[in-house]
Amino acid sequence: AQSVSQHNHHVILSEAASLELGCNYSYGGTVNLFWYVQYPGQHLQLLLKYFSGDPLVKGIKGFEAEFIKSKFSFNLRKPSVQWSDTAEYFCAVIYSSASKIIFGSGTRLSIRP
Amino acid sequence: NAGVTQTPKFRILKIGQSMTLQCAQDMNHNYMYWYRQDPGMGLKLIYYSVGAGITDKGEVPNGYNVSRSTTEDFPLRLELAAPSQTSVYFCASSYRQGQGATEAFFGQGTRLTVV
Repeated sequence: AQSVSQHNHHVILSEAASLELGCNYSYGGTVNLFWYVQYPGQHLQLLLKYFSGDPLVKGIKGFEAEFIKSKFSFNLRKPSVQWSDTAEYFCAVIYSSASKIIFGSGTRLSIRP
Repeated sequence: NAGVTQTPKFRILKIGQSMTLQCAQDMNHNYMYWYRQDPGMGLKLIYYSVGAGITDKGEVPNGYNVSRSTTEDFPLRLELAAPSQTSVYFCASSYRQGQGATEAFFGQGTRLTVV
């Protein structure tokens, strides 16, 4: 079945630490991949997206993600996190063969000041 | 360009009451979605639509109905509200044509409490 997995449910980091959040999707052909962020009490906003081309994608607020096709992964990274990055992060995938956008279960990121 | 607009933002319902959550988008997107989000549970797809006149069930459709009479609007109907439907509801839209697709754009959400 087509699915997305985010293995980290809650990540706690100190400010200036580096961040990597895992995202794996199941095999299903051509995919478009996304990372969304949801700040407390707000709606989901797009951080970055991958459709094709350079597998290293840069997004807003210093985030980037790397598409590794052989590993079915699209991990999110940031070299130095800030307290304002405290939020929930969702990975999502669209399979070209399907209609639905499939979301992972989300990773809650807490940053210690 | 307002994007995706949801109304109301907040609502309290009594058990057994009905209501419609409104969703409208002005981006000429063909795909629209309804999700519910419960604390710590991620997003669950309720219903989605790939175009006017076409709707399909998601993961958790029971207790809900939708219609898509126009490209712009995708209302979600709760017929007999139950406490289990207390949640935050998000509407989203995207554009797909062939292999191409945009990301999903989300509304601000509707916080619904059933008491």
